[in-house]
Amino acid sequence: QVQLVESGGGLVRPGGSLRLSCAASGFSFSDYYMSWMRQAPGKGLEWLSYISKSSSHTKNADSVKGRFTISRDNAKNSLHLQMNSLRAEDTAVYYCARVERGSGDDFYYYYMDVWGKGTTVTVSS
Amino acid sequence: QSVLTQPPSASGTPGQRVTISCSGSTSNIGRNTVNWYRQFPGTAPKLLIHGDHQRPSEVPDRFSGSKSGTSASLAISGLQSEDEADYYCAAWDDSLTGYWVFGGGTKLTVL
Repeated sequence: QVQLVESGGGLVRPGGSLRLSCAASGFSFSDYYMSWMRQAPGKGLEWLSYISKSSSHTKNADSVKGRFTISRDNAKNSLHLQMNSLRAEDTAVYYCARVERGSGDDFYYYYMDVWGKGTTVTVSS
Repeated sequence: QSVLTQPPSASGTPGQRVTISCSGSTSNIGRNTVNWYRQFPGTAPKLLIHGDHQRPSEVPDRFSGSKSGTSASLAISGLQSEDEADYYCAAWDDSLTGYWVFGGGTKLTVL
């Protein structure tokens, strides 16, 4: 079945770096855009970044622009998020998700359909 | 503060029909489709509705979505105790360079 499994979370000091990974299985990974979201403790969901099928196009939320970099390895069915200059406010559960395409009468749209279980990042001294 | 506005809480009794609203603007809900997710404590969000009202095959037809102008709603009929969870709306926002936005979430309590 379609599955996404995140890894790489942990405790890191402010200013430090961390690289998250997301292992995909059960679908043709290279056929889908992929995305990262996060959820701070007791808070709502926040979209962070997405990457196109061939990595030719990426987009980041303003809150992480210049600090986080999304990448993928289609040969290994894996998605990554390199996080640098981490701050206390980056403490959250980080989720990867598959981006599916839907269709209406005369238009297409995109949505995150399958999510991983998440990996926890704690930024603290 | 979330770009999309949801009531922080909602409640209903078993069997009742409840609705959760999601208010946005012309740059997001007014121009793009809305998705809804359900999240149980300590677990990942699960897709309930996409494309305003499309339901994945595994989602019961008790769940329905609708949209009018810059607002959307999720309706749950025949409320069950296992529906107690957090519900989030999401949409693409065309402002600036474009990005996905979420509502702040609604905690649904089954009384």
